[in-house]
Amino acid sequence: EPEVTQTPSHQVTQMGQEVILRCVPISNHLYFYWYRQILGQKVEFLVSFYNNEISEKSEIFDDQFSVERPDGSNFTLKIRSTKLEDSAMYFCASSEEGISYGYTFGSGTRLTVV
Amino acid sequence: KNEVEQSPQNLTAQEGEFITINCSYSVGISALHWLQQHPGGGIVSLFMLSSGKKKHGRLIATINIQEKHSSLHITASHPRDSAVYICAVEGSSNQFYFGTGTSLTVIP
Repeated sequence: EPEVTQTPSHQVTQMGQEVILRCVPISNHLYFYWYRQILGQKVEFLVSFYNNEISEKSEIFDDQFSVERPDGSNFTLKIRSTKLEDSAMYFCASSEEGISYGYTFGSGTRLTVV
Repeated sequence: KNEVEQSPQNLTAQEGEFITINCSYSVGISALHWLQQHPGGGIVSLFMLSSGKKKHGRLIATINIQEKHSSLHITASHPRDSAVYICAVEGSSNQFYFGTGTSLTVIP
């Protein structure tokens, strides 16, 4: 069964460093998403991406964050100058518009900022 | 302000019981998702629905658009169903709102 693949599964970084979280969506999917879940809290929407541009973003997704689809297969989330409060599980998802069960999440990257 | 409210927050059931998890939302939506989050953190999409009812194995999801309410039912529950079940709605402007989840434990 097709999967959304995220790497790395766990990343530890020093405060102030930049991190790039990588995702490989399902190949025929057209819509891509990033979410985060701070430990013990609910999942929060960050950004959606379609046709090589951001289609929607939340208040959380400020200038510290950026997304890119550099090569037609990867979908990356870059966090510049990480803060302690960026520690969370980051989930990538992709979907094929209009198809039930077509919305697929990756297994997540646990980011720990120290 | 919570755009999505789930109940109950925690639920313990005996194996074989019929389980219902409820979700109410306050925003206009284009779709509602039921998600399952495993103890390891991974999220699986169970259903995406915008009207009526869907069934997938022992899982049934219903939505009432007028009442802004959805339910997830699990028939003949099993310990492997133990997980956090999350209701999420896709707003009309492609914004997503998540419930805080219902933690289900099914005891053998």
